Amino acid sequence: ETGVTQTPRHLVMGMTNKKSLKCEQHLGHNAMYWYKQSAKKPLELMFVYSLEERVENNSVPSRFSPECPNSSHLFLHLHTLQPEDSALYLCASSQDWGGALSEKLFFGSGTQLSVL
Amino acid sequence: RKEVEQDPGPFNVPEGATVAFNCTYSNSASQSFFWYRQDCRKEPKLLMSVYSSGNEDGRFTAQLNRASQYISLLIRDSKLSDSATYLCVVPGDSQAGTALIFGKGTTLSVSS
Repeated sequence: ETGVTQTPRHLVMGMTNKKSLKCEQHLGHNAMYWYKQSAKKPLELMFVYSLEERVENNSVPSRFSPECPNSSHLFLHLHTLQPEDSALYLCASSQDWGGALSEKLFFGSGTQLSVL
Repeated sequence: RKEVEQDPGPFNVPEGATVAFNCTYSNSASQSFFWYRQDCRKEPKLLMSVYSSGNEDGRFTAQLNRASQYISLLIRDSKLSDSATYLCVVPGDSQAGTALIFGKGTTLSVSS
């Protein structure tokens, strides 16, 4: 059983829709991440939060907007997405950010997103 | 050299076979390395960590060659349940704000 829960598991949305992905971790970790996984590509880091503060933003388009209200919850708000944004979006957590404590990630089961 | 590079495969092997995957990395300062396993349509899960020359866990052996900047994963006596994609992972510079760097993965298919 994973300590990181993501909802929804699947999402189909049109380009004009607004939706949100939710992630919750029950591990007492201080760092949370959003990754994007497209076919034939490596996992791409999108955002990192440490103790509710964003510490990394890898040039992600503004149509993706993260929110971290507390150290256990992470959201990814989506609006006016493009078909090329269709991918598996994975949330992860680690004990801390920086050094060895950020090297072991625990992933949620992901949201498979399709943009029509 | 790409930050993390893996042979994508697929590697198709019969049950009981021994199979090895290699991964090369570009950051010579990296001190720790990881293999994650990802089943089809599932999330990645940590399989092994490598901090020195190597690590062994049952049928799985990970080895590190710092001089040549590659790590390998050896699977002995392959099982059907070993079929998955194996991701090579190298830390970025977390002090500079770079998280783990993932390879594209190597796909293994074990058949009966």
